[in-house]
Amino acid sequence: DAGVIQSPRHEVTEMGQEVTLRCKPISGHDYLFWYRQTMMRGLELLIYFNNNVPIDDSGMPEDRFSAKMPNASFSTLKIQPSEPRDSAVYFCASSFRAGQNQPQHFGDGTRLSIL
Amino acid sequence: GNSVTQMEGPVTLSEEAFLTINCTYTATGYPSLFWYVQYPGEGLQLLLKATKADDKGSNKGFEATYRKETTSFHLEKGSVQVSDSAVYFCALLTGGGNKLTFGTGTQLKVEL
Repeated sequence: DAGVIQSPRHEVTEMGQEVTLRCKPISGHDYLFWYRQTMMRGLELLIYFNNNVPIDDSGMPEDRFSAKMPNASFSTLKIQPSEPRDSAVYFCASSFRAGQNQPQHFGDGTRLSIL
Repeated sequence: GNSVTQMEGPVTLSEEAFLTINCTYTATGYPSLFWYVQYPGEGLQLLLKATKADDKGSNKGFEATYRKETTSFHLEKGSVQVSDSAVYFCALLTGGGNKLTFGTGTQLKVEL
């Protein structure tokens, strides 16, 4: 079975540009999570969706960040305008009926560098 | 609130050495506990889990026992291999919640 698919794997862009990260969850999973990983702050949950509806976006750092899930098989995380401090690895994860016995499955991440 | 504390790395071991990575937690209610592993350039993978006190999770030679009395979930392996070199994350999930709380991760380096 295909796992969580993220694109692009690497993105390098100049500050001020719009960045769009993409995620395709595992088919049948109804929860989708966006994380950010940095050396300084570790793994941070940014936002998660249930059945395409955003449930908790309290981890989204600023209004420059937005996330959408237009259907069950696709989600985007946008940063506009981007800043150098947004440089990080961004992970998408999905799970089936998130709960104590349901693990989250992670994609391989997008390594974002803002110059 | 919930929190997970892991020993700081990197942990450097010789092949076939015994591994322990300490993990303690603070949580309301009765959490489920997880160990995830992240290999270089990849996302996190679930390594093992335990959902109630005294449960032992195991996978690929790794083990961890849910100790409620000491609020701990230490990861152990009897004989590590070079291929075990990775970052290991301890995490918890409380009942009814959907958000994993991760520790900061512990890097393991295994040398020949």
